[in-house]
Amino acid sequence: GENVEQHPSTLSVQEGDSAVIKCTYSDSASNYFPWYKQELGKRPQLIIDIRSNVGEKKDQRIAVTLNKTAKHFSLHITETQPEDSAVYFCAARVGGTSYGKLTFGQGTILTVHP
Amino acid sequence: NAGVTQTPKFQVLKTGQSMTLQCAQDMNHEYMSWYRQDPGMGLRLIHYSVGAGITDQGEVPNGYNVSRSTTEDFPLRLLSAAPSQTSVYFCASMGGGAEFFGPGTRLTVL
Repeated sequence: GENVEQHPSTLSVQEGDSAVIKCTYSDSASNYFPWYKQELGKRPQLIIDIRSNVGEKKDQRIAVTLNKTAKHFSLHITETQPEDSAVYFCAARVGGTSYGKLTFGQGTILTVHP
Repeated sequence: NAGVTQTPKFQVLKTGQSMTLQCAQDMNHEYMSWYRQDPGMGLRLIHYSVGAGITDQGEVPNGYNVSRSTTEDFPLRLLSAAPSQTSVYFCASMGGGAEFFGPGTRLTVL
């Protein structure tokens, strides 16, 4: 089955700095890659996703890049703010957007210091 | 539109007790799933369903049963609770490729 590795497990940055979280996946059939943000005690919430026919996607301060050849994708957060502090999860779906099982990375605890 | 709802929010069980975690969605999504979240382990898929009457196992199905009699509801049953099942449980439904999570149930098994 699919295996998703996420790094780093913890990331500490100063407010205003950029943060990058990287994930690798094992199954070349995976073609949907979402990122979730989970605040303490809350549910995971989708913040951005990318499909395999796209190399990069941006939404305001967050962006995701995908390298299908190397089987890795990354989340980039620019101009970080304290409210960005949370746990971030990457995931990969085998079989695209329809009914394939979602496999999650282990999560990255991001702390943004004011 | 309530999205994905779960009950209860918190539950404490004794070893060997059984219970059902409820999950419902009002978005008419065919695909629903159950995950458990443990510290340092991320989210792991327990069971999933691609439509009413169809269920399948995920990564960690042992000790759990599911059924899907309607599109809206996807309950998770613990037949004989064990301390290893202490966790936070999230139900999710999928629409447009993205999974939307319920608020979670925090379960403690003593």
